[in-house]
Amino acid sequence: QTVVTQEPSFSVSPGGTVTLTCGLNSGSVSTSYYPGWYQQTPGHAPRTLIYSTNIRSSGVPDRFSGSILGNKAALTITGAQADDESDYYCALSLGSGTWVFGGGTRLTVL
Amino acid sequence: QVRLVQSATEVKKPGSSVKVSCKTSGGTGDSFSSFAINWVRQAPGQGLEWMGGIIPVIGSPNYAQNFQGRVIITADESTSTAYLDFSSLTTEDTAVYYCARGEAFDLWGQGTEVSVSS
Repeated sequence: QTVVTQEPSFSVSPGGTVTLTCGLNSGSVSTSYYPGWYQQTPGHAPRTLIYSTNIRSSGVPDRFSGSILGNKAALTITGAQADDESDYYCALSLGSGTWVFGGGTRLTVL
Repeated sequence: QVRLVQSATEVKKPGSSVKVSCKTSGGTGDSFSSFAINWVRQAPGQGLEWMGGIIPVIGSPNYAQNFQGRVIITADESTSTAYLDFSSLTTEDTAVYYCARGEAFDLWGQGTEVSVSS
């Protein structure tokens, strides 16, 4: 079974830079997995930040960027702000219209 | 402005079924038929879980292995509405169910809370 791995939690100082990663229990993540990144605050629907590795969704500030780092997909947040404190999820395409989400990373800004 | 509007909260008994809808509003038929509609659920305090999806113009749904046999996803192009039909509910199916559009998941519905309790 395909398992997508994310750091359970991360913290960043206001104004700092943080990189969250998204890996696979077996194998490497590449652009062929079309990784996406989603931000969610409690009680709200997710908001798409990045799709297809590095394309920012409409209205997403350029503080958020996506890439492949080594064998993982990565979401980098630069100039972290208080309202970046959220849960972040990645999703990978397994082909044939199927997807799998990672377990999410809780980001604290302090 | 295109939006995904989902049906209201449901309260169900174990063993029953639920049908959740997701209507694409504010756009033309092109904003529905050729985009995948994905269904994603989130149990209380848990992460996101992809359940399945459908491209309305094609009509053949795809399902996550965990939900094969219990979930049926359909789409009605005439009303720009996708449906999630979920049977044999257990208390572990208590969750918020979201629809999301396309491979980019660029639009999300507001979520439908389904509570399963005896």
